[in-house]
Parts: sequence; C-alpha cells; structure tokens
Amino acid sequence: KAGVTQTPRYLIKTRGQQVTLSCSPISGHRSVSWYQQTPGQGLQFLFEYFSETQRNKGNFPGRFSGRQFSNSRSEMNVSTLELGDSALYLCASSQGGGASPLHFGNGTRLTVT
Amino acid sequence: GDSVTQMEGPVTLSEEAFLTINCTYTATGYPSLFWYVQYPGEGLQLLLKATKADDKGSNKGFEATYRKETTSFHLEKGSVQVSDSAVYFCALSDLDSGYALNFGKGTSLLVTP
Repeated sequence: KAGVTQTPRYLIKTRGQQVTLSCSPISGHRSVSWYQQTPGQGLQFLFEYFSETQRNKGNFPGRFSGRQFSNSRSEMNVSTLELGDSALYLCASSQGGGASPLHFGNGTRLTVT
Repeated sequence: GDSVTQMEGPVTLSEEAFLTINCTYTATGYPSLFWYVQYPGEGLQLLLKATKADDKGSNKGFEATYRKETTSFHLEKGSVQVSDSAVYFCALSDLDSGYALNFGKGTSLLVTP
C-alpha cells in the first residue's frame, strides 16, 4: 500500500508570494491533517479535513488555508508569504480521524526568502 | 490547555545501552498518548500508543506505560542500536482538541557504535 505522498519535496518562494502544497493520503483514508514543523515552535497543528469538510483548525492566521477533494487528496495554500513561514509542512492521513493513528508523509520543505 | 513536556536532549548513548526518554503531560480530558519517531529527512512514524491508563504500548523493543497518577508516558528500550538514532516525539490527542496531536518538542537520540 502506498504511503502518504507530498509534493513537491522542496519549494523556494519570495516574501509576498503564495504557495500551494499537495498531499495524497493512503488509499481508503478519509481524514487528512496538516502540521507545521519549525526548530523554534516544533510541530504545530494547522487543520484537519474529513470528507471534504474542515473538521478542526489550529491557531494559524487566515493566510493558511486548505481544502480536500472528493478523492481525499488535499491541498494547503499559504498566501502573502512571510519569512517565518519557512518550515517543513507535514501531511498526515488516517482512516477516520478521532484517535486513529496518523500516517505522515515526508513533508514539503518551504523556504521563504 | 493540553501540553506535553519531554526532555530535549540531545541524548547520546553507546550501542546496547538502556534508553529512557521522559515525557509528562497536562490534559483536561482523557487523552490518548503516542510516541512518534522521525529519521533524518523523513516524516514522522508512529512508534507506539496507549489509549487509557495503565495501557502499555510496545513496538520494535520500545515500551511506554500510560501512568495517569504521574501523568507520564516515558519511553524505554533495553538495548539501543545505532539504527535507533532519530528524533523522538511524545504526543497526546483528546476530544477537547478535536483529536489534533499536541506534540512535545522532541528528543534527539544519537547512538554510537
């Protein structure tokens, strides 16, 4: 069974630009979550989608948004990029959300210059 | 709100040494507890979990017991290998947070031959 796939692996953007990250969950998984990992703040929850609906949201500004498609694939968008948005963005999928174990992708490394 | 505290390391051990990584938590509800491991350049992998008090999670020689009385979930392994070198994250999730994972800062482990 293929794991969680995130594309691209690396991105370099300039301040003020916007970026879209993509995540394909494990087949059959309907919940997709996104996390931001930085050396200073560690791992922080961004949001979770289940059956195309945002079910949970972390404490991030509105510049961070996401969506989920009918095939459970998910995208995350960050607008008006700031230097502090440089991070590893991790996507995780699970069968039903709740306390189901999360399966993480290898992440997208975003660098904002 | 919920929080997880773990020793930050780095922890350096010789091969075959005994490993303990301490993790304590604060939660208002009845959380599930997890240990995730991150190898260089990769995403997070679930190592083990426990969903209620006194449960013991185990995998690949690692163990952790959910101790409600001390609000702890310490990770142990009797004999570490060089291949165990990685960053280990303690995490919790519960209904109050919509089951989003709340991570500790991570503990870097280096095992030398």
